[in-house]
Amino acid sequence: QSVLTQPPSMSAAPGQRVTISCSGSSSNIGSNFLSWYQQLPGAAPKLLIYDNFKRPSGIPDRFSGSKSGTSATLDISGLQTGDEADYYCGVWDNSLRGVVFGGGTRVSVL
Amino acid sequence: QVQLVQSGAEVKKPGASVKLSCTASGYTLTSYDLYWVRQAPGQGLEWMGMIVPSAGGTIFAQKFQGRVTMTSDPSTSTVYMELSSLRSEDTAVYFCARVFSSSLDVWGQGTMVTVSS
Repeated sequence: QSVLTQPPSMSAAPGQRVTISCSGSSSNIGSNFLSWYQQLPGAAPKLLIYDNFKRPSGIPDRFSGSKSGTSATLDISGLQTGDEADYYCGVWDNSLRGVVFGGGTRVSVL
Repeated sequence: QVQLVQSGAEVKKPGASVKLSCTASGYTLTSYDLYWVRQAPGQGLEWMGMIVPSAGGTIFAQKFQGRVTMTSDPSTSTVYMELSSLRSEDTAVYFCARVFSSSLDVWGQGTMVTVSS
């Protein structure tokens, strides 16, 4: 049981948009900056979004993040077959005094 | 380029200990904190703890308190994570990752640890 709640899976056709949610509490998302990670099969996670909405260099603007209160979302527009991966949200939790991750969302491109 | 290179796969028996390494290149190890994160087969990411390489300070997830040790050797740009009293549930890929602005911006390639009798 993860501290942050994400949908287990989502799917959409190429070119479509998916929105992945991440729900937490006042001790984590409500208080701290959130990040999103993409993990391709067999690979290490890769940073997609940091500080709720910022993109590292090299990350296309098809990926966008937002946060409101104790929830956050990751939007992937113009879905491509290369976007098939697991996506995780992660944030520091003040009560647990550590980083917590969502359970991950597997995105499939139909 | 900036990268973290981890040590190779390990196979251990229950009750044993394992010590993994993570070597930084392309940047100064002591300029950033480092986290250890693990992922059991088919499962999600689990934060284990962190080390401040410049000072050696550590914070561990409660689940691993008493079983995990993290150390750093700035002279070789390497951090180590040792997990003791291994059990089958510790079978996982272990990642080290650099901390940047509350996020993990550089990840090691991962080390597979298999605990089996």
